Amino acid sequence: DVKVTQSSRYLVKRTGEKVFLECVQDMDHENMFWYRQDPGLGLRLIYFSYDVKMKEKGDIPEGYSVSREKKERFSLILESASTNQTSMYLCASSLRGGGNEQFFGPGTRLTVL
Amino acid sequence: SQQGEEDPQALSIQEGENATMNCSYKTSINNLQWYRQNSGRGLVHLILIRSNEREKHSGRLRVTLDTSKKSSSLLITASRAADTASYFCATNGGTSYGKLTFGQGTILTVHP
Repeated sequence: DVKVTQSSRYLVKRTGEKVFLECVQDMDHENMFWYRQDPGLGLRLIYFSYDVKMKEKGDIPEGYSVSREKKERFSLILESASTNQTSMYLCASSLRGGGNEQFFGPGTRLTVL
Repeated sequence: SQQGEEDPQALSIQEGENATMNCSYKTSINNLQWYRQNSGRGLVHLILIRSNEREKHSGRLRVTLDTSKKSSSLLITASRAADTASYFCATNGGTSYGKLTFGQGTILTVHP
């Protein structure tokens, strides 16, 4: 059974803290994605990666960075968490190429106090 | 930017009825996909329709695509309470990196 896992289901952090969200996939997918989901706004792409050590900005990269040192792992980093980064964060992966089905993790609900 | 716009935002029906959700988009696409999200969980892929296809079926799901109107619809026949979820359309503009642009979703509630 293919799987995308995320390090935490729920996370509470304080303003200014550095936050790491980790995503691991076991499908040998080349593409990996980080989204945030907010009520009324749908899913918005933060960053994506199409290969190890490669990354591309999505629609809302400000305040975030990413790391992909291994093919199966894609990390999202909040350098200095702020309250407006309170959200549901979803990781996904897909095969190389355009428009393939994306497989999603269960999500991490992050609250920044 | 949000390309897909779902309509309606919320839909409430009885078990056994059909549910129809619509999606409109603005730019040319390579394919359009529909996903389901159960409350507070990740998204699950339902069906993909390519730009040169007009209709596709998968079990109780039927998807249509009208590229001239830049719109798609998802029909769920004989709805069940377990179909209660949010449904999202997502468009791929043909980039090699597989980026999808998601709409805001339709919340479907199926009453037993």
